[in-house]
Amino acid sequence: ILNVEQSPQSLHVQEGDSTNFTCSFPSSNFYALHWYRWETAKSPEALFVMTLNGDEKKKGRISATLNTKEGYSYLYIKGSQPEDSATYLCAFHTGTASKLTFGTGTRLQVTL
Amino acid sequence: DSGVTQTPKHLITATGQRVTLRCSPRSGDLSVYWYQQSLDQGLQFLIQYYNGEERAKGNILERFSAQQFPDLHSELNLSSLELGDSALYFCASSVGPAVQETQYFGPGTRLLVL
Repeated sequence: ILNVEQSPQSLHVQEGDSTNFTCSFPSSNFYALHWYRWETAKSPEALFVMTLNGDEKKKGRISATLNTKEGYSYLYIKGSQPEDSATYLCAFHTGTASKLTFGTGTRLQVTL
Repeated sequence: DSGVTQTPKHLITATGQRVTLRCSPRSGDLSVYWYQQSLDQGLQFLIQYYNGEERAKGNILERFSAQQFPDLHSELNLSSLELGDSALYFCASSVGPAVQETQYFGPGTRLLVL
């Protein structure tokens, strides 16, 4: 059974704070890691797909890094804004079966 | 708006009944995925189709079935419904079947079984 763990479960920060969360996954048979942003009452929105050890991706104030050897990825948000409030999901793909295994997410709340 | 459409948005039905959920992928996408989000559970992969053929199967119950039609839209059929089938069902699509492909999610169908 593949286990994708995300920490922390939830996070509450002030506007302007920078924050980061972790996604841990089995390091064997790695093919790809996906990050999604999921706002309440909406559908998950793709942020990044990461495939190579050492990958770093950036989209505006959000960036992510990947370490496939030790089995983790970090998502960073610089200068958090209230509109960043959402659940951030990571999903792991082994490639042995064409499916994503999702973590339970980190719920971020940014207040003024 | 991801370009993936799902109908209906909400569905309320009774135990033992059968329902069909419909998904239209983004224009140009050949791959369709179905996911289930139950209370207290993360997103669970159900099944994937690519260009009309079943590509991968996840935690899909035998009472559930799916297909992808020549026009690439997909339907998920849920039969002999139980209370525990109440969930949010998402469809996602991608251009191809590869693991590196970004999956674009539809708005979901919320199913309530009473």
